[in-house]
Amino acid sequence: GAVVSQHPSWVICKSGTSVKIECRSLDFQATTMFWYRQFPKQSLMLMATSNEGSKATYEQGVEKDKFLINHASLTLSTLTVTSAHPEDSSFYICSVTDGGVTDTQYFGPGTRLTVL
Amino acid sequence: GENVEQHPSTLSVQEGDSAVIKCTYSDSASNYFPWYKQELGKRPQLIIDIRSNVGEKKDQRIAVTLNKTAKHFSLHITETQPEDSAVYFCAASISGNQFYFGTGTSLTVIP
Repeated sequence: GAVVSQHPSWVICKSGTSVKIECRSLDFQATTMFWYRQFPKQSLMLMATSNEGSKATYEQGVEKDKFLINHASLTLSTLTVTSAHPEDSSFYICSVTDGGVTDTQYFGPGTRLTVL
Repeated sequence: GENVEQHPSTLSVQEGDSAVIKCTYSDSASNYFPWYKQELGKRPQLIIDIRSNVGEKKDQRIAVTLNKTAKHFSLHITETQPEDSAVYFCAASISGNQFYFGTGTSLTVIP
């Protein structure tokens, strides 16, 4: 399966600052990446679908100006949490699919964001 | 959009017994249904999946069944072992374009 990495694995920041999370597909070109948010002991909530070279598609209720997604290359998508607040503290996980070959989804290891 | 419901939220079984987790979905266009196992602080891992053209799929101790008419699918784990303890998520997708997850089931296998 695909190898997906995320950086950083854990970030602590002050309220009001912006944080960038990177998601990399290490062994194949991902035209589509997904970003999820997961609160403790809760399910994964799809935030947006990131398409290489075009604007991301956000799920209802997700603020696009708050969560900026850039998918500039076939191996890298970034999620920037702008003006982070404590309520943004969560586990953010990206995933890639194999481009429609099997629809299988491969997850990154996740990034824990703690906003003080 | 798609709405996926999952039951139960917690499940405890004795080692060796079977565990069943059920999910329902709302969008009849969904055609791909993966199941994930997630251990604390780790990424979800795909354990089995099924497509809408198949009614049942089995992989050793794990099986999944799908009822398209009723829009529900289930995960069956037989001969459970302590290492099966984790949180399990079902998901529904239309050809891998978006994935919508169930609320999760925390499975505890008691030795």
